[in-house]
Amino acid sequence: RKEVEQDPGPFNVPEGATVAFNCTYSNSASQSFFWYRQDCRKEPKLLMSVYSSGNEDGRFTAQLNRASQYISLLIRDSKLSDSATYLCVVNKDRGSTLGRLYFGRGTQLTVWP
Amino acid sequence: NAGVTQTPKFRILKIGQSMTLQCTQDMNHNYMYWYRQDPGMGLKLIYYSVGAGITDKGEVPNGYNVSRSTTEDFPLRLELAAPSQTSVYFCASSRDRGYEQYFGPGTRLTVT
Repeated sequence: RKEVEQDPGPFNVPEGATVAFNCTYSNSASQSFFWYRQDCRKEPKLLMSVYSSGNEDGRFTAQLNRASQYISLLIRDSKLSDSATYLCVVNKDRGSTLGRLYFGRGTQLTVWP
Repeated sequence: NAGVTQTPKFRILKIGQSMTLQCTQDMNHNYMYWYRQDPGMGLKLIYYSVGAGITDKGEVPNGYNVSRSTTEDFPLRLELAAPSQTSVYFCASSRDRGYEQYFGPGTRLTVT
């Protein structure tokens, strides 16, 4: 089973729409969770960390459900500039030697005018 | 503060040639990583380093070598390039294990 699984999409939504992405992770010991954004032919960039209590940054809301081992990202009032691939990222175990991050394959979002 | 920088941006190699991809970070991060990303695929970890002088293999290390003589630099060496190494290579760094990683702009490599 993959460490991190995401629906690859694509999601095509009109401007102003609300869109939600989900991601599941396999290791219950995972401790850190992030959403990254990757534009076409560019490097991944940190969008937001995901905290246990859930967190919000402007139009973006991230939620963590440890019991079901999934993470979600909600984008409200979509903008054309939100078009990108969104990567779900999970740390397997911060206490391990590496504490490496596992990247999902990404969910592609296209916002149309 | 430039963050993570990589050179070159693009490179075309012939089969059997060698090259070094350069990576430098100015955030004083101990942890550095090399990933490759093939079209439509996720990131795969090639090598990582937890500090100067310490490196270890990731999930796809074959055909690559690394060194870490300083905190700032983490070059990736390709020996005897093969078409299967055609990919985009990203270098990243983080302040500690398990923390968010910051990526360089990538090197697009084609081996023909």
